[in-house]
Amino acid sequence: GAGVSQSPRYKVAKRGQDVALRCDPISGHVSLFWYQQALGQGPEFLTYFQNEAQLDKSGLPSDRFFAERPEGSVSTLKIQRTQQEDSAVYLCASSPTGTPSSNQPQHFGDGTRLSIL
Amino acid sequence: SQQGEEDPQALSIQEGENATMNCSYKTSINNLQWYRQNSGRGLVHLILIRSNEREKHSGRLRVTLDTSKKSSSLLITASRAADTASYFCATAHIYNFGNEKLTFGTGTRLTIIP
Repeated sequence: GAGVSQSPRYKVAKRGQDVALRCDPISGHVSLFWYQQALGQGPEFLTYFQNEAQLDKSGLPSDRFFAERPEGSVSTLKIQRTQQEDSAVYLCASSPTGTPSSNQPQHFGDGTRLSIL
Repeated sequence: SQQGEEDPQALSIQEGENATMNCSYKTSINNLQWYRQNSGRGLVHLILIRSNEREKHSGRLRVTLDTSKKSSSLLITASRAADTASYFCATAHIYNFGNEKLTFGTGTRLTIIP
């Protein structure tokens, strides 16, 4: 597609439920990133994929958070046993290359706004 | 955690005036990027300045970078109502076998008054 697509745009879940958030990056983009953005704050890094390999998951807040990108394109962020503090906007971004000297910008989707009741 | 701090947190100016936002960061960087975010939307990349560059222009945007002071500024000239948005600086760091990570600041909320 023309840009990064995320679904759903809005998700409301009850505390304790599991949720799955989807990201379709720009076709051919090697790198994929997930961020969490709290209200009034900047995005905070969660995890990074280079193709299907998850190279960094240091930003995931707890072991309830899990991300995958099995075929190197679409990615899913799963949150198990959701808590109220998980309420935030979850942003996905992709970039064309995965090399350190790329100096490439990241292309963001519009995010999924997750509300945990 | 947020690496950068932006100043001011909020800025309101009249249409046609210039808007200046500042960003400070803490560690060495590979490049610094500025993004815009309209309410309820994702971030849109505006401009990237490499660590060995001091100034860069793109249309009505001018970015400066001072690595000795670990600071950057974004100037928007001749502001328009459509420039109303939140603006974030993001610093890019190389770590772990060459991966590049972006760390975002806290943002400046810019309001242009028609």
